[in-house]
Amino acid sequence: GEDVEQSLFLSVREGDSSVINCTYTDSSSTYLYWYKQEPGAGLQLLTYIFSNMDMKQDQRLTVLLNKKDKHLSLRIADTQTGDSAIYFCAGIGGSGGSYIPTFGRGTSLIVHP
Amino acid sequence: DGGITQSPKYLFRKEGQNVTLSCEQNLNHDAMYWYRQDPGQGLRLIYYSQIVNDFQKGDIAEGYSVSREKKESFPLTVTSAQKNPTAFYLCASRGAGGTGELFFGEGSRLTVL
Repeated sequence: GEDVEQSLFLSVREGDSSVINCTYTDSSSTYLYWYKQEPGAGLQLLTYIFSNMDMKQDQRLTVLLNKKDKHLSLRIADTQTGDSAIYFCAGIGGSGGSYIPTFGRGTSLIVHP
Repeated sequence: DGGITQSPKYLFRKEGQNVTLSCEQNLNHDAMYWYRQDPGQGLRLIYYSQIVNDFQKGDIAEGYSVSREKKESFPLTVTSAQKNPTAFYLCASRGAGGTGELFFGEGSRLTVL
């Protein structure tokens, strides 16, 4: 199955860019995802990238995928205090149609005013 | 509106008691999942169900049980055999096709007194 690793903490100043990194092991994941979790709440899908893409941009969010190094990153431009949350990288692996989602441990983003 | 609902939001239990967490979805999704979240450990898969009347153990199934008698419902029972049940529990569902993203409930926080 999939194994997903990401750093646990990131601290940035308001207005700066944030870059959250993730590495994964299973190259068969069709999609890779970034989820956001605010305190005491469930996860919400932030963005995703199809495995045959290198980059996806969606307003302030840019996702970069390096398939050779199995590295995924999420860049948030002009980071705001409202972006403070835990960000999870995820993929879906499995064989025989089991499609088991696997999540990283989450990166806590702290935005200082 | 379509979505996934977990209840209760907060639950307190005495040691030795079983407790059942509810998860209901009206998204017509076949697959449903239960995750446990502890600080710094990300999401760990407890049980999942790909279709009604069928479910599989995840990585940390010991001390938990589930049922899937209806497509829209996937309740999780935390039994007295679970040695460290205090945690945040998240239920999710996934539809067929599309991007394969998971839709999450708002979570249930269980505290054992």
